[in-house]
Amino acid sequence: GENVEQHPSTLSVQEGDSAVIKCTYSDSASNYFPWYKQELGKGPQLIIDIRSNVGEKKDQRIAVTLNKTAKHFSLHITETQPEDSAVYFCAAGITGGGNKLTFGTGTQLKVEL
Amino acid sequence: NAGVMQNPRHLVRRRGQEARLRCSPMKGHSHVYWYRQLPEEGLKFMVYLQKENIIDESGMPKERFSAEFPKEGPSILRIQQVVRGDSAAYFCASSPQVNGEAFFGQGTRLTVV
Repeated sequence: GENVEQHPSTLSVQEGDSAVIKCTYSDSASNYFPWYKQELGKGPQLIIDIRSNVGEKKDQRIAVTLNKTAKHFSLHITETQPEDSAVYFCAAGITGGGNKLTFGTGTQLKVEL
Repeated sequence: NAGVMQNPRHLVRRRGQEARLRCSPMKGHSHVYWYRQLPEEGLKFMVYLQKENIIDESGMPKERFSAEFPKEGPSILRIQQVVRGDSAAYFCASSPQVNGEAFFGQGTRLTVV
């Protein structure tokens, strides 16, 4: 089955700096890669996703890149703000397979003033 | 349009009791997914259901766990004879179609004492 690894497990940045979280996956059939933000006591919230027919996608301060050959994808947050502090999860899945996603173990991002 | 509603938010059960977790998907969503999150870990897929059908239960433990999504009413995740290892946060997600964006509920935090 699919295996998703995520690094780093914790990340501390100064407000205004950029944050990068990296994930690798094992199943070459995976073609859907969402990123979720989870705040304490809440459910995961989809913040951006990318499908394997594109290499990069951007939405305001958030961007995701995908390298299918190397089987890795990354989340980039620019101009970080305190409200970006949360746990971020990457995931991988196969379109046509429903939303059966394999999640990474999460990155605790802390944006310090 | 209300989001995915899960109840209860917190559930305490003694070892050997039964736990019933409920999930009402977003209006118009006919696909429901259950995930389990252990402390400090990512979400693990359990089961994918459509109305009255279990599509994929490859992540469900073989014993004590069952799920249903009846024609009327919420989806139910049932855990019989709970053990301490069942203590976790259980999240439900729903989507309007098989490859649509999955929206997560707030989760039910089960504690087995």
